[in-house]
Amino acid sequence: QVHLQESGPGLVKPSETLSLTCFVSGYSISSGHYWTWVRQSPGKGLEWLGTINHSGITYYNPPLKSRVTVSVDTAKNQFSLKVNSVTAEDTAVYYCARVIAMAGSYVDYWGQGTLVSVSS
Amino acid sequence: DIQVTQSPSSLSASVGDRVTITCRASQSINNCLNWYQQKPGKAPQLLIYGASTLQSGVPSSFSGSGAGTDFTLTISSLQPEDFATYYCQQSYNGATFGQGTKVEIK
Repeated sequence: QVHLQESGPGLVKPSETLSLTCFVSGYSISSGHYWTWVRQSPGKGLEWLGTINHSGITYYNPPLKSRVTVSVDTAKNQFSLKVNSVTAEDTAVYYCARVIAMAGSYVDYWGQGTLVSVSS
Repeated sequence: DIQVTQSPSSLSASVGDRVTITCRASQSINNCLNWYQQKPGKAPQLLIYGASTLQSGVPSSFSGSGAGTDFTLTISSLQPEDFATYYCQQSYNGATFGQGTKVEIK
């Protein structure tokens, strides 16, 4: 069974960088598929942030591309998210997930989500 | 950007009812449309991918149809555990989610 677990600070100050890591178990990232970050806030609903594969090829949501970085560490079987220059609008539950690239693509496994608040 | 619009935003239904939720894309997305169910405090769970393929383990009371710009999620007979919020998601270009449809008990 594939399991994903988000980890990182629950509180970030405005203008600073939000950093989260997703630990994957039950599946080797090096084996394939894609790995993604999605967030959910009351104001914006579910919002895709960015996706990476085991080779480090990345895809980003265009409106957020300038502030978002997704990276992968296959040796540790984990991938990470950084969002720069955060504001209160970045307050959300952040999910990491696995993406299957078939019939378009879809998420078949999600982490439980972690709430990140942006406040001074 | 491809926008996806769900309707209705909420509905009230009874156990045993047939429920239909629609999703419209702002341009053709072929069959690159997925449906998820989310319960409070939990991550979304995949129900249907590729517009009409049922994810393994999902009850056959769920079905999806459509192609191009118009898609439908149908629950043939609503069960108590089906009261939740449902989201469509396009994966033709990046990923965009609909705003959700909350299915409540009548």
